[in-house]
Amino acid sequence: DTGVSQDPRHKITKRGQNVTFRCDPISEHNRLYWYRQTLGQGPEFLTYFQNEAQLEKSRLLSDRFSAERPKGSFSTLEIQRTEQGDSAMYLCASSLSFGSSGETQYFGPGTRLLVL
Amino acid sequence: GDSVTQMEGPVTLSEEAFLTINCTYTATGYPSLFWYVQYPGEGLQLLLKDTKADDKGSNKGFEATYRKETTSFHLEKGSVQVSDSAVYFCALDHTGNQFYFGTGTSLTVIP
Repeated sequence: DTGVSQDPRHKITKRGQNVTFRCDPISEHNRLYWYRQTLGQGPEFLTYFQNEAQLEKSRLLSDRFSAERPKGSFSTLEIQRTEQGDSAMYLCASSLSFGSSGETQYFGPGTRLLVL
Repeated sequence: GDSVTQMEGPVTLSEEAFLTINCTYTATGYPSLFWYVQYPGEGLQLLLKDTKADDKGSNKGFEATYRKETTSFHLEKGSVQVSDSAVYFCALDHTGNQFYFGTGTSLTVIP
């Protein structure tokens, strides 16, 4: 078990550019979650996948954000036309879900995005 | 909508002091409740959880009791150590589809 990994760990970009982050979950986990965390705040839920299906999206996920998990393994989160307000830590988590609440999520180290 | 309200920090305690970090929630029904911890330089990790009202979760000397009547899930530890210095997050999972975290409480334990 190598844990959840995220790449890159840091990203600096200019406003208006597109960025893409990758998350590799724990291998047997069927659920994958994306969160955004700003300084002094807790993680804010963005979206999650059950295998390759995207089942829930927060209203925080504007149309500039898109996430994919094409083969039910790794996932990518893309932000188009970045804005300074997108600067945050983007967290990925995974879990082994049997369809109920209360399952433990395992978090990656995060990707810190800075938009200049 | 569902939400979690957590005691603001930062909290500074001397070693062996008693710790309480308050957490209350707003949700219908019976959500699952969690405490996650983030040690310096590390990712969030589960500390403990409860999925049923009146259950008491415990781990590493920390305890939290799910109290439906007060919609609370306060975190306690009888004797903190320097190694407990971290940020603690209370979280809620209501339906298995929506997840809410508190703002986090920073704890510093001094020797």
